[in-house]
Amino acid sequence: AQSVTQPDIHITVSEGASLELRCNYSYGATPYLFWYVQSPGQGLQLLLKYFSGDTLVQGIKGFEAEFKRSQSSFNLRKPSVHWSDAAEYFCALGKGDYKLSFGAGTTVTVRA
Amino acid sequence: NAGVTQTPKFHILKIGQSMTLQCTQDMNHNYMYWYRQDPGMGLKLIYYSVGAGITDKGEVPNGYNVSRSTTEDFPLRLELAAPSQTSVYFCASSLLSGGATDTQYFGPGTRLTVL
Repeated sequence: AQSVTQPDIHITVSEGASLELRCNYSYGATPYLFWYVQSPGQGLQLLLKYFSGDTLVQGIKGFEAEFKRSQSSFNLRKPSVHWSDAAEYFCALGKGDYKLSFGAGTTVTVRA
Repeated sequence: NAGVTQTPKFHILKIGQSMTLQCTQDMNHNYMYWYRQDPGMGLKLIYYSVGAGITDKGEVPNGYNVSRSTTEDFPLRLELAAPSQTSVYFCASSLLSGGATDTQYFGPGTRLTVL
């Protein structure tokens, strides 16, 4: 069975501080991994995705994620958080067919 | 391009009533999807379609029906609404297989309450 775990339900970070969101997956083959962001009242927007190759992936809005096969992880990072980064973040796993399995999400609060 | 549009944005439904959530995309995408989002649960796939005339069940299809008569439209039908169907519903589309190499594009969602 495939699954995605986001261990942190809620993270609070100060503006300007760094942010790291954790994502662990369970899948027997090469995973396709995605990070989506959902701003309040909005749909989901793709931040970045990993299929193969370079394990450090750059995305939009200054985000990056690192794929670590040995740890079954795909953690999302941003060096300096802006107030507009307050949102819910979802990690998702695709296994080569049409479907994505989403984690439960991590809500990020940014304090001034 | 408007992308993926959904109507209505909000709706309150009485138990036992039926309604259709509309979804339209103008990107000529082959694949379309319906998800529901419940608090703390992430998104669950209800139904998906790989092209006009072809639909299939996802993880949580019970209580829902879909049709895909055109490439652009993928309506979701709720029959005999129940309180358990209170949720936020997202429609998405992708050009190619959205679970693999392609990106799924999401609509803004429909917040549905069943009372």
